[in-house]
Parts: sequence; C-alpha cells; structure tokens
Amino acid sequence: DGGITQSPKYLFRKEGQNVTLSCEQNLNHDAMYWYRQDPGQGLRLIYYSQIVNDFQKGDIAEGYSVSREKKESFPLTVTSAQKNPTAFYLCASSELALMRVSSYNEQFFGPGTRLTVL
Amino acid sequence: RKEVEQDPGPFNVPEGATVAFNCTYSNSASQSFFWYRQDCRKEPKLLMSVYSSGNEDGRFTAQLNRASQYISLLIRDSKLSDSATYLCVVNMWTSGTYKYIFGTGTRLKVLA
Repeated sequence: DGGITQSPKYLFRKEGQNVTLSCEQNLNHDAMYWYRQDPGQGLRLIYYSQIVNDFQKGDIAEGYSVSREKKESFPLTVTSAQKNPTAFYLCASSELALMRVSSYNEQFFGPGTRLTVL
Repeated sequence: RKEVEQDPGPFNVPEGATVAFNCTYSNSASQSFFWYRQDCRKEPKLLMSVYSSGNEDGRFTAQLNRASQYISLLIRDSKLSDSATYLCVVNMWTSGTYKYIFGTGTRLKVLA
C-alpha cells in the first residue's frame, strides 16, 4: 500500500530536549512538507523540500530543523529553541515540486504526531 | 485580511439537509483549489479538487468563482458520517513562491 507514515503517533518531551519526528513516503513524490496545527488555527508551514538535499523554510521555521537525504524521508527535529512546541505535527507530500506545479498537485498527509512538552 | 478565509461554524444540520460552505481567497493569481476533510484528531484527507468548470462527486459539488475569488462546497442529503471539519486549501503565489494556504476550517455537525 502506498502512503505516508509518521512516527511516533504520540511523543512526550521534557523542556530542553530535542526530538526528531519521522516521516516516510513510498509514493515516489518529489515534494515533502511539514506543518503544525494548533487548536482553532489553520495548518502552518514549517519547512518544505522540493528535491533531495534541498529544503526551504516555511512561515514558522524558527526552532525546527530538517534534512532530506533520501527522496522517501523528511525527518523534522524540534529543538529546545522552539518556544511553544506542543502541537499536532503533520507531514505531507505531493507528486511535483511547487515550482513545477501543474494545475492540480494535491498534497497527501500522514497520520500526524502529537507532541506534548512536559 | 487573511489569505484564505472560512466561516468556522459550527454548522448544525439535520440528516438529509443540504449545506453549503464558502471560502474566500485574497490572491487573484491563485492556481489551484481543494477541499479537504479532517476528522477530530486525524490528518486532513483530500475530498475533492475544485476545477474552473465546477465538479461533482456523488453528493458533493464544488464550484470556483475566480471573479469574486471564492470557492464553495455543497453537500446534499447530509449523513451523520459527514460530520467533520472541512478545510479550504488554495495553492497561491505568495512571498516569492507557490504555497498551499489553508483556511482554519468549517465544522459541520449532522444531527440525527
């Protein structure tokens, strides 16, 4: 079955710790994205990657880091510098890179990771 | 003004009712449009893309009005299982690149 997987589903972290959230896709999609969702707010873009070994900051990148060493994988590290990390984190992918976008280049989401800082 | 705006609801409707949601967007150069459905504590799932000519999928109809910069979603014969949050998503040129901009969602509750 093709799809996007995220792990873990729930993650608890103590203040001051870095944690890494996993995202893997087997859809052969070029582009991958990380969003966070807070109650009552729309999804906000943290980072995105349009091709292997390249990524760009989104709207709220401070306190986060990513890597894209393989096409299938786009892990997100939440560092201790992120002031308010408790949120629902969603990884997504789309077939084409944004700058090569055709009219309809849907995003597909993984099941998400709920991060709670204790 | 937000780039993508939706009425947050909730819309409480009886089973069998017809309900419509609108979503307005700010950038006239927007390229593509989508409706996603999100159940409580789950990931968004693509419901349908919204094409210029309008499109229908069973009980769901999506329309795009570029002149007035809004998209709409019509749900006919509502089912209890339609209860969810519906997210409007617009792929638009902003801050020097294309981005998917999400509305905050409209909550729908279908009542027995």
